[in-house]
Amino acid sequence: AQSVTQPDIHITVSEGASLELRCNYSYGATPYLFWYVQSPGQGLQLLLKYFSGDTLVQGIKGFEAEFKRSQSSFNLRKPSVHWSDAAEYFCAVGDNYGQNFVFGPGTRLSVLP
Amino acid sequence: EAGVVQSPRYKIIEKKQPVAFWCNPISGHNTLYWYRQNLGQGPELLIRYENEEAVDDSQLPKDRFSAERLKGVDSTLKIQPAELGDSAVYLCASSLGGGGSGEQFFGPGTRLTVL
Repeated sequence: AQSVTQPDIHITVSEGASLELRCNYSYGATPYLFWYVQSPGQGLQLLLKYFSGDTLVQGIKGFEAEFKRSQSSFNLRKPSVHWSDAAEYFCAVGDNYGQNFVFGPGTRLSVLP
Repeated sequence: EAGVVQSPRYKIIEKKQPVAFWCNPISGHNTLYWYRQNLGQGPELLIRYENEEAVDDSQLPKDRFSAERLKGVDSTLKIQPAELGDSAVYLCASSLGGGGSGEQFFGPGTRLTVL
């Protein structure tokens, strides 16, 4: 069965510092990979997605992620974090039909001024 | 373009009472999902609809949960009777489905508290 792990439950970074959130997946077919962000009291917003092609994908709000098939990873990065980036981040894996969609447990990001 | 709409946003009930949540997906989205998100966890799929057909309800606790999507548009998720463990955020999402990008668009959720 497919699964997603996010090893870091909570990460704290200083504003302006770089960020990397880890995501590892287990999926039997070609994975479609997603990163969503959830601010308090809000629904999930898609940051970026990977389907095929270039393994480095760019998303909104200055985020990027790199797909590494050999490591079954899809880590999220941002070169300089802003205070408004404080939120919960979820990695997800699925297929292009919206089936077999599985979320990771999430990583909570705190940003220090 | 309007996003996924859910109501109510918050609901507080006593255990054993019934409760219902409503979702209006993005226009033209054939696939609709209901998720439950417990505190500190990722969303877990309860049921997925393709148009008006429930194609994946394997995770729906059918003894107390029910859902419907009449006319393949709006959907209602019901719990009867509610238990303390049902306290969670219930998220609705929609997607184009049918070989599309697979991207799901989420509503703001309904936060249910069972006392």
